[in-house]
Amino acid sequence: NAGVTQTPKFRILKIGQSMTLQCTQDMNHNYMYWYRQDPGMGLKLIYYSVGAGITDKGEVPNGYNVSRSTTEDFPLRLELAAPSQTSVYFCASSPTGLFQETQYFGPGTRLLVL
Amino acid sequence: AQSVTQLDSQVPVFEEAPVELRCNYSSSVSVYLFWYVQYPNQGLQLLLKYLSGSTLVKSINGFEAEFNKSQTSFHLRKPSVHISDTAEYFCAVSGSSTGFGNEKLTFGTGTRLTIIP
Repeated sequence: NAGVTQTPKFRILKIGQSMTLQCTQDMNHNYMYWYRQDPGMGLKLIYYSVGAGITDKGEVPNGYNVSRSTTEDFPLRLELAAPSQTSVYFCASSPTGLFQETQYFGPGTRLLVL
Repeated sequence: AQSVTQLDSQVPVFEEAPVELRCNYSSSVSVYLFWYVQYPNQGLQLLLKYLSGSTLVKSINGFEAEFNKSQTSFHLRKPSVHISDTAEYFCAVSGSSTGFGNEKLTFGTGTRLTIIP
């Protein structure tokens, strides 16, 4: 199993540009999550999903959109990039949620918005 | 609302010495507590968690944490650290008024543990 994979690993965007961060897991996990980690800070939940077609907002959803059309994929969309979105983005998955099982994290995507 | 405070941003410790990483939380509902570890240039990994039952929980690599409700703390300890323990450690909390957890974790700002040979 490849686990949780994220693409791209690095990206530089100009203000106002759009992009999609890709996240794929091959473990057939129902739960998937997007976090951002700002320098010197803990992770903050952006969005999560408990299954295909079901998503919910986390702590910091503004400026982002998600969709979950398949069990494997959970892309994160930035529509109008802003410098405040400069961060490291982590995708994670879990079989039955973080209370029954652990979360498995991807390696992260480093995003710089200039 | 819930929050987590990790008082120490950096903790240097000599190899084979004991260590305690402090975590305090605030929540108005039932809490579920977690410690995650992040090795350099990697994603987070769950170290241990407290959901219910025994207040002392242990990980497979020698760490333990004790849930103390009266002091609202969940400090992480290890009696003898190794070079391989060098990492950043995050405490996290999830709360629920119904007694059943939700998927929204609140993380602390992290403690960077540096092991000195």
